[in-house]
Amino acid sequence: SQQGEEDPQALSIQEGENATMNCSYKTSINNLQWYRQNSGRGLVHLILIRSNEREKHSGRLRVTLDTSKKSSSLLITASRAADTASYFCATRGSNYKLTFGKGTLLTVNP
Amino acid sequence: GAGVSQSPSNKVTEKGKDVELRCDPISGHTALYWYRQSLGQGLEFLIYFQGNSAPDKSGLPSDRFSAERTGGSVSTLTIQRTQQEDSAVYLCASSLGQTDGYGYTFGSGTRLTVV
Repeated sequence: SQQGEEDPQALSIQEGENATMNCSYKTSINNLQWYRQNSGRGLVHLILIRSNEREKHSGRLRVTLDTSKKSSSLLITASRAADTASYFCATRGSNYKLTFGKGTLLTVNP
Repeated sequence: GAGVSQSPSNKVTEKGKDVELRCDPISGHTALYWYRQSLGQGLEFLIYFQGNSAPDKSGLPSDRFSAERTGGSVSTLTIQRTQQEDSAVYLCASSLGQTDGYGYTFGSGTRLTVV
């Protein structure tokens, strides 16, 4: 079953704009992670935020976590055409396996 | 190796045949995971290996699916009597283990097509 649900399912923006993707989940988590997938193949780990953290930054990425609302957001600033990909949130509970959502397809137009 | 290696990258097989998919995790990673991704969908958990512990097989969809991990390293996912609904990309990932704070490193996947 899907734990995380990303919103929106698809997002199209112009280069230089910011992109925001949201993730909601249902059960308590240990941490939440964001991944990027190009061309339907392997996923690349972007950033991890623990349940006791509220915000984290990595380069042009900013992740927030609100455990009271069971939601997270991923912000990509100053987007580039190379950021075009599917983005997935994944939650980790106590049993060490990640549960993924269906992803947000981001298209950055040059 | 530097990354997680999966082979073959593509596999076309006839319905009813058995297939074996291989995963070489990153050296030193004690945890290994198999996921399946159908077209346009998220990742479906299949099985998880951690060191010498009994694997978590809770995601295997039927008894036609099995997996093993030899010597705590290479893993093989076997699908017997393949069906068309088994067509998907099969992704393997490894991580440093049960310690919190580590993400997964994924391989490039095996795209399985059952005709």
